Amino acid sequence: DAMVIQNPRYQVTQFGKPVTLSCSQTLNHNVMYWYQQKSSQAPKLLFHYYDKDFNNEADTPDNFQSRRPNTSFCFLDIRSPGLGDAAMYLCATSSGRASGSETQYFGPGTRLLVL
Amino acid sequence: GQSLEQPSEVTAVEGAIVQINCTYQTSGFNGLFWYQQHAGEAPTFLSYNVLDGLEEKGRFSSFLSRSKGYSYLLLKELQMKDSASYFCAVRDWGTSGSARQLTFGSGTQLTVLP
Repeated sequence: DAMVIQNPRYQVTQFGKPVTLSCSQTLNHNVMYWYQQKSSQAPKLLFHYYDKDFNNEADTPDNFQSRRPNTSFCFLDIRSPGLGDAAMYLCATSSGRASGSETQYFGPGTRLLVL
Repeated sequence: GQSLEQPSEVTAVEGAIVQINCTYQTSGFNGLFWYQQHAGEAPTFLSYNVLDGLEEKGRFSSFLSRSKGYSYLLLKELQMKDSASYFCAVRDWGTSGSARQLTFGSGTQLTVLP
């Protein structure tokens, strides 16, 4: 059974038109992450939530926002997508214990295309 | 901050053994992970090292030397399905002391030839 679910798998939007990507998890994990991954590059962390505590990376553009209404769901809002925002967006979760082999579990990703 | 380096591409033939290297610099090391990512799919966890030495998991092994800031992923008996990108990632204590974040290397594209 899928543990980290992302919808939609593919999203097409127009330049400047707001878009929301969603992520849900059945692991009851405390931490949810959003990454941006462009072709042949490493996943780049945009921000993460530890429970309701929001942690933004210093170089994440203001154009990117996130909401976490409850433990299971997290949303990525792109207020005015530009052509450079076309990428795969990966959601991941972890328990937050940060010990042992506790790792992050990734969803299948949403591929965003900006026209 | 953290930095990781990996070769961009590696090619090997089916049935062979291949080693993918990763060097890293970080100030508060708390583990190194290897992930596999097939094209268009999410990264999946392969292995974890926090102490020096070799961890073996079937056809996959991972080695860590903390003093050298070095790790490698060893894949044995290569199969066509092993063609994928492989990322090393370090977890460190960061500025908040929470160790919740991973920093990924740029990835190594492995191509397995018949």
